[in-house]
Amino acid sequence: GAVVSQHPSWVICKSGTSVKIECRSLDFQATTMFWYRQFPKQSLMLMATSNEGSKATYEQGVEKDKFLINHASLTLSTLTVTSAHPEDSSFYICSATGVFTNSYEQYFGPGTRLTVT
Amino acid sequence: RKEVEQDPGPFNVPEGATVAFNCTYSNSASQSFFWYRQDCRKEPKLLMSVYSSGNEDGRFTAQLNRASQYISLLIRDSKLSDSATYLCVVNIQAGTALIFGKGTTLSVSS
Repeated sequence: GAVVSQHPSWVICKSGTSVKIECRSLDFQATTMFWYRQFPKQSLMLMATSNEGSKATYEQGVEKDKFLINHASLTLSTLTVTSAHPEDSSFYICSATGVFTNSYEQYFGPGTRLTVT
Repeated sequence: RKEVEQDPGPFNVPEGATVAFNCTYSNSASQSFFWYRQDCRKEPKLLMSVYSSGNEDGRFTAQLNRASQYISLLIRDSKLSDSATYLCVVNIQAGTALIFGKGTTLSVSS
């Protein structure tokens, strides 16, 4: 099956700093990547949809200037949490869908656990 | 009203038990339906897709009722390894994001 990786798997940073999370499709071309966030005991909530070569589409309530998304190639999307605060501490998960995969199926990365102190 | 609603849980059952999870979705235009499994501090993993005709995969049976906008998952002969959170997931359109329910936690004990 298709493989999606995320890096880092976990990160601890100080309040006010920025953190970049990478999402890579390892064996397929990801035309669309999705970024989700999951707080403890909550469901995955979509933050934004990222299409290769175009600007990301953010969900209502998600600040695009705070959560910068770049999808510059068909195998890589990055999420940068700028000026992180403790309330940004969460589990960030990306998923990807591509031209050669079942169009209804998405492949998830292993997630990045962010803790802001 | 939430887009995907699930049984509140948690479900605590002994090994060998049969357990059923229910889910409803609000958007009648939904096209694809899934059950995902999520272990603690891990990403969700696809358990099975759900079809109108119903489908079975070993001890797992999924059903979809489009008229009632209702999805179910039945697990027979529960194993300790089935302990996880089960997520009901809906997709409105191919290529768009998945919509997740909050999940139902299952704990199987010996």
